[in-house]
Amino acid sequence: QSALTQPASVSGSPGQSITISCTGTDNDVGRSNFVSWYQHHPGKAPKLMIYEGAKRPSGVSNRFSGSKSGNTASLTISGLQAEDEADYYCCSYAGLTNVIFGGGTKLTVL
Amino acid sequence: QVQLVQSGAEVKKPGASVRVSCKASGYTFTAYYMYWVRQAPGQGLEWMGWINPNNGVTNYAQKFQGWVTMTRDTSINTAYMELSRLRSNDTAVYYCARTPGRYYFDYWGQGTLVTVSS
Repeated sequence: QSALTQPASVSGSPGQSITISCTGTDNDVGRSNFVSWYQHHPGKAPKLMIYEGAKRPSGVSNRFSGSKSGNTASLTISGLQAEDEADYYCCSYAGLTNVIFGGGTKLTVL
Repeated sequence: QVQLVQSGAEVKKPGASVRVSCKASGYTFTAYYMYWVRQAPGQGLEWMGWINPNNGVTNYAQKFQGWVTMTRDTSINTAYMELSRLRSNDTAVYYCARTPGRYYFDYWGQGTLVTVSS
């Protein structure tokens, strides 16, 4: 099973908004709302940013939002800040208690 | 507070096995499935499998079936991941991650670097 498709990189200036897409198939992203997003700074543990498609854990800034349409999920970060620079991964339920990750997107804050 | 503390870095020769531990604290260990995820250098995250600490039931990603074994010791709230017949492309950072269900991970270990080199 191939990884979910994410853009390799995105960039934006402080204060701007960016959106990272995560494209899968009917067998994963399209089958449920069990899509989550993780922020990963190199050398640190990944951090949960969005779960069940659009829910934010306690403590995560409301600048982060998630959505889904068909087989594509999206993570939007508004009001970009320097500390948002990181790698971002989507993850989806893929049936039979399996999950699948996206290939990751490197966010650069210009 | 919830913590997942993993064992330290390992260097192994090709063909050897490695066991990584993940000690949980701050919650009821048997109430949450534990997943294992790895990241090879320059690569993305890759799901390896999970274990139900309550009964030891496991489910491995198809790619790892036959050469990964996940176990747990409930007396010390620790999950283990053992990978056998190591190859150079198993060099990666291995993470344990807790799931409250619904296929997302709310707490992660700090990661364990496993280097496979002759």
